[in-house]
Amino acid sequence: AQSVSQHNHHVILSEAASLELGCNYSYGGTVNLFWYVQYPGQHLQLLLKYFSGDPLVKGIKGFEAEFIKSKFSFNLRKPSVQWSDTAEYFCAAQGDSSYKLIFGSGTRLLVRP
Amino acid sequence: SAVISQKPSRDICQRGTSLTIQCQVDSQVTMMFWYRQQPGQSLTLIATANQGSEATYESGFVIDKFPISRPNLTFSTLTVSNMSPEDSSIYLCSVGDSYNEQFFGPGTRLTVL
Repeated sequence: AQSVSQHNHHVILSEAASLELGCNYSYGGTVNLFWYVQYPGQHLQLLLKYFSGDPLVKGIKGFEAEFIKSKFSFNLRKPSVQWSDTAEYFCAAQGDSSYKLIFGSGTRLLVRP
Repeated sequence: SAVISQKPSRDICQRGTSLTIQCQVDSQVTMMFWYRQQPGQSLTLIATANQGSEATYESGFVIDKFPISRPNLTFSTLTVSNMSPEDSSIYLCSVGDSYNEQFFGPGTRLTVL
């Protein structure tokens, strides 16, 4: 069955710390991968996406993610987090010929000033 | 990206009643979707709202419980019928003009007593 797993449900970091959020997917065939972010009181926003090509993709606000096909992973990284990165982060997968998004359970990130 | 609004933003309803949620987009879009996010869980696709034809429902969701309308390319409604406390969730509308990207509305937080 198609699924997306996010292993870290809650992460607490201090400002300037490095961030890595794990995402693993189970999907037959070609897959598109996404990270969405939901800041407090705001709606879901697309952070970055991977369709094909360079497995290291860069998104907004200094975030990047690496697609590792052999590990079925698409981890999100940021070298130095800020208090304003406090949000919930969702990983999602989509079949190449489908519109349907399968979401992970989300990771709540709290960045302490 | 399109600007998406939803009404109401939140509501508290009695069991057995129905609530209709509206989704308005500021531009014409091909694809509109409805998702549910139950407390502490991830987003789950309910259905695709098709303009001019019946919605396409995902496994586990039926038209009698979640009737959907899509009268034009900028508007859709989702009705949650005969509500029970288990229907307490955030309901989100999303739009996509391709199979690859979706943009989300602010959501409707529903509490059923």
